[in-house]
Amino acid sequence: GQNIDQPTEMTATEGAIVQINCTYQTSGFNGLFWYQQHAGEAPTFLSYNVLDGLEEKGRFSSFLSRSKGYSYLLLKELQMKDSASYLCAVMDSNYQLIWGAGTKLIIKP
Amino acid sequence: NAGVTQTPKFRVLKTGQSMTLLCAQDMNHEYMYWYRQDPGMGLRLIHYSVGEGTTAKGEVPDGYNVSRLKKQNFLLGLESAAPSQTSVYFCASCTGGSGANVLTFGAGSRLTVL
Repeated sequence: GQNIDQPTEMTATEGAIVQINCTYQTSGFNGLFWYQQHAGEAPTFLSYNVLDGLEEKGRFSSFLSRSKGYSYLLLKELQMKDSASYLCAVMDSNYQLIWGAGTKLIIKP
Repeated sequence: NAGVTQTPKFRVLKTGQSMTLLCAQDMNHEYMYWYRQDPGMGLRLIHYSVGEGTTAKGEVPDGYNVSRLKKQNFLLGLESAAPSQTSVYFCASCTGGSGANVLTFGAGSRLTVL
C-alpha cells in the first residue's frame, strides 16, 4: 500500500530552527509537495521537489532524497505565525496526490 | 479574483437528509477535486474531474455524487447523509494533473451529520 509518515506534533521556540520530516512509500514518484494549513483554514502551497536536493525559498527550505523516500521541511527564524499544520503529499505514478496526516507545529515564545 | 469559493461554510444535517456543496473557481482551471479531512488522517480524495463534463472516483467515493456541468463549478452531493460523513470538505483546483501543478483550495465546508 501507499504510505506517508510524518510526526503528529512538534514544538519549537520563536526564533529557532525546526525540521519536519516526511517519509514515503508510494507506487511511483512524480514529485513531493509541502503545504501549510493554519487551524480552520485551507492548505496553501509551500514547496515542490521532484529532483534530489534542497530547494530554498526565504525562511523555508525543502529537501528530497528519492532513493531514501525521504523529505524534510526546514523552517528558520521561527515566528509565531508559523504555528500551523504542515502537510506532506506525494504524487504517485498515476499523478494522484497521496497525503500525510500532517504535522502540527506549535511555536512557543 | 476570488480563487476557489465553497458554499456553504457550515451545515448541520440529520441522518438521511440530502444536500449539495458547491465549489466555484474563477482561474479557468481544468482539474477540480473534492477532499474530506478528518482528525488524524490525511486529506482523502472523494471525487475529481479533469474537465467539463467529466468525473471520476477517488479513494472514498461511496455515499457521494458529483457533477461538473460547467468548467468553473464542481458540485458534491450527499443523497442520504450518515454520521460517518461528518467532516470538513475541501474543494481544490489546478491547471492539470501532472508535474508541479499546485492545488488552490477553497476555505472548506464543515458538515455535521446528527
